[in-house]
Amino acid sequence: EVQLVQSGAEVKKPGESLRISCKGSGYSFTNNWISWVRQMPGKGLEWMGRIDPSDSHTDYSPSLQGHVIFSADKSISTAYLQWSSLKASDTAMYYCARLVYGETNRFDPWGQGTLVTVSS
Amino acid sequence: QSALTQPASVSGSPGQSITISCTGSSSDVGRYNYVSWYQQHPGKAPKLMIYDVSNRPSGVSNRFSGSKSGNTASLTISGLQAEDEADYYCSSYTSSSTQVFGGGTKLIVL
Repeated sequence: EVQLVQSGAEVKKPGESLRISCKGSGYSFTNNWISWVRQMPGKGLEWMGRIDPSDSHTDYSPSLQGHVIFSADKSISTAYLQWSSLKASDTAMYYCARLVYGETNRFDPWGQGTLVTVSS
Repeated sequence: QSALTQPASVSGSPGQSITISCTGSSSDVGRYNYVSWYQQHPGKAPKLMIYDVSNRPSGVSNRFSGSKSGNTASLTISGLQAEDEADYYCSSYTSSSTQVFGGGTKLIVL
């Protein structure tokens, strides 16, 4: 079974750093991109960008460029999303999803989500 | 990249059919056959329902179907069931090599 398992919920203070993870299994982790998707409380899905685990090439949504960093460790089939200085506005559910591309384009499957709460 | 436009909500009675629209531009929906649809129940992760405009993944009911005309894609659910009540999001690949989601549609089963 192809699946993505994310790390658990986090509660942080503004200015703190954070890294959350997304571990893939059931497929060749380097054959597909991993995308990160943000869902702020009560809001819709927002594409944050993607990383190619084979070479760690990244593409960021212009609206988020510079505020987050994507990384990956292909030896353990894990992708990461990190912040160096969190803001209250980073409070959201974060999903990773396998981006299947080529002659197709779809997010499948999705991780279960990691809730990040930033509050003083 | 602006979000794709979806109606905020649609409703229907059990057994009926409903259609959710997803309007983009000639840079995304109108340019590529890479529109996908996702179902999200409260507190759950999104689930792929339709990909590449009209393809249904294994395990998804054939009551779900997709289509596209110009810059607008559509998701149709026939034989509406109570379990279909959820939020639905469309997504498209774009000419900037990015991905964009719609604002989401809340489906209410009366």
